[in-house]
Amino acid sequence: TAGITQAPTSQILAAGRSMTLRCTQDMRHNAMYWYRQDLGLGLRLIHYSNTAGTTGKGEVPDGYSVSRANTDDFPLTLASAVPSQTSVYFCASSAGLTLHTDTQYFGPGTRLTVL
Amino acid sequence: GQNIDQPTEMTATEGAIVQINCTYQTSGFNGLFWYQQHAGEAPTFLSYNVLDGLEEKGRFSSFLSRSKGYSYLLLKELQMKDSASYLCAVRDSNYQLIWGAGTKLIIKP
Repeated sequence: TAGITQAPTSQILAAGRSMTLRCTQDMRHNAMYWYRQDLGLGLRLIHYSNTAGTTGKGEVPDGYSVSRANTDDFPLTLASAVPSQTSVYFCASSAGLTLHTDTQYFGPGTRLTVL
Repeated sequence: GQNIDQPTEMTATEGAIVQINCTYQTSGFNGLFWYQQHAGEAPTFLSYNVLDGLEEKGRFSSFLSRSKGYSYLLLKELQMKDSASYLCAVRDSNYQLIWGAGTKLIIKP
């Protein structure tokens, strides 16, 4: 099975442009997450969705938006990119059936450079 | 604030044993996770602890002391493929994962 796929693998984007990072999972997981990973920092949660139709803000949501129209897809949109959004973006999912043991599984990541 | 501390980098020899420590201060505790991340790849799940004590899984073991806010990941019989970053994460009172910056483990022949 594919698990979680992300697209594109990498992208160079001009500041001020918009972009959508795609994430699709085939595990029928209820919960999905978007993180950014920057050198020297831990993964930081941008947005999450506990189930289709609902979304929530994480630690660093400003400048990003998400939607969860169905179980499988969880796109992340940058409305007007800025250089500080240069990062590696990981999508993750979890079954979301139990609160304690719920384990997150990660996609391969999108490396985004904003110039 | 919430904080997860891990050493930035460690070096060990192939065939040896290494212990990677993680200390945490979080608003609530609902479990601790260890992930492995090879350079340029996604994090992959290694272990989960919610009760005090040692969880063993093959060459990898993870220990938790909730009263001390402390965990360690023990890797035995090190192999070159174990060269990676090891991430510690704690699930807080809101059931969100708080992540450490990771420990880069370098294995030398």
